[in-house]
Amino acid sequence: GNSVTQMEGPVTLSEEAFLTINCTYTATGYPSLFWYVQYPGEGLQLLLKATKADDKGSNKGFEATYRKETTSFHLEKGSVQVSDSAVYFCALNDYKLSFGAGTTVTVRA
Amino acid sequence: DAGVTQSPTHLIKTRGQQVTLRCSPKSGHDTVSWYQQALGQGPQFIFQYYEEEERQRGNFPDRFSGHQFPNYSSELNVNALLLGDSALYLCASSLAPTEMNTEAFFGQGTRLTVV
Repeated sequence: GNSVTQMEGPVTLSEEAFLTINCTYTATGYPSLFWYVQYPGEGLQLLLKATKADDKGSNKGFEATYRKETTSFHLEKGSVQVSDSAVYFCALNDYKLSFGAGTTVTVRA
Repeated sequence: DAGVTQSPTHLIKTRGQQVTLRCSPKSGHDTVSWYQQALGQGPQFIFQYYEEEERQRGNFPDRFSGHQFPNYSSELNVNALLLGDSALYLCASSLAPTEMNTEAFFGQGTRLTVV
């Protein structure tokens, strides 16, 4: 079946550092790909999405590109802030969401 | 717009009991999906309701059942609770499940603890 594998954490960074979280997927067909973020004590929020190969999703300084040839959707941000501390989930949508295990990111001031 | 609302926020039940969780979807949404998120893990799909019928189901036993009402709200029922059912239960709403790029909006979740 379809599945998502993402980089294990936790990841600890200093403010203004570069963040990358790796995500690869296994799927039949061409699902849409998403990154969701979960701040402490809150539900999941959509961060960005891409619906077809070579699409780039972006939001709040985060970017991810749908790479069909490498079946990847890595999340990147050039300069993180303390407020980016959260758990990040990669997910694919084949009419239901399949999530990765999540990566906890902590940004220190 | 209130977004997706779930109740209760926290719940403690005893092993063997039954529990009902509730979800009201975002205004304009007609599809509700339920997910189980164990501590430190990603959410796992339980099932999806559309037009008051279960449309898809994940790998969960029949102890997990649900219902969708004409106003699109939904309930998740779990019978014969096990300690392993302790988790955060998330409800997500979206438009009709005909497109893979449909965005799902999540509620804050219900934290269920089975003792």
